[in-house]
Amino acid sequence: NSKVIQTPRYLVKGQGQKAKMRCIPEKGHPVVFWYQQNKNNEFKFLINFQNQEVLQQIDMTEKRFSAECPSNSPCSLEIQSSEAGDSALYLCASSLRGYNQAPLFGEGTRLSVL
Amino acid sequence: GDSVTQTEGLVTLTKGLPVMLNCTYQTTYSPFLFWYVQHLNEAPKLLLKSSTDNKRTEHQGFYATLHKSSSSFHLQKSSVQLSDSALYFCALSDWTGGYKVVFGSGTRLLVSP
Repeated sequence: NSKVIQTPRYLVKGQGQKAKMRCIPEKGHPVVFWYQQNKNNEFKFLINFQNQEVLQQIDMTEKRFSAECPSNSPCSLEIQSSEAGDSALYLCASSLRGYNQAPLFGEGTRLSVL
Repeated sequence: GDSVTQTEGLVTLTKGLPVMLNCTYQTTYSPFLFWYVQHLNEAPKLLLKSSTDNKRTEHQGFYATLHKSSSSFHLQKSSVQLSDSALYFCALSDWTGGYKVVFGSGTRLLVSP
């Protein structure tokens, strides 16, 4: 079965701590997305990559969030200094390149910031 | 920028009844629309996709027709089952300034016996 693998499934951090999560995209998919799904189930786009290059990212991502997709290694999303408002489900997705390609999602990493 | 609107936050139905979940979108480009379904504690999964005007697309009993004239892509099913209880998201492919998929706020469908 095609799959995007995200680890860990659950992450608990204190305020101010770093939080790092990883994603292995589906084999052959050059485009990787990170979304934040909040407690109201709304999706917020954070950043995306094509291979190792950032395609687009939001301001929030630029300031406290860092992400990378190195060659031959899992992609990662790291929050430098966690805040309570960062508690959410972080979803990674991958796709082929093309605007008609539907992203394939992983099960997510649920971050709780205490 | 591009946007997707889902007007119903929660839809509750009895098993066997038909359902329509609303989705409208706004874009200045040629639209490509998706419907995703997310069951509890699972990954969102693609249900349907379309970019063809006025053509019905179907999968697993669900169907939708993209109407560019009204900027709509409503999801329908003629007879819902208990297993259809889930979150449903309409999404729009956006290639402007990079590439991302814009999601609506989602509709929770609850099917009762």
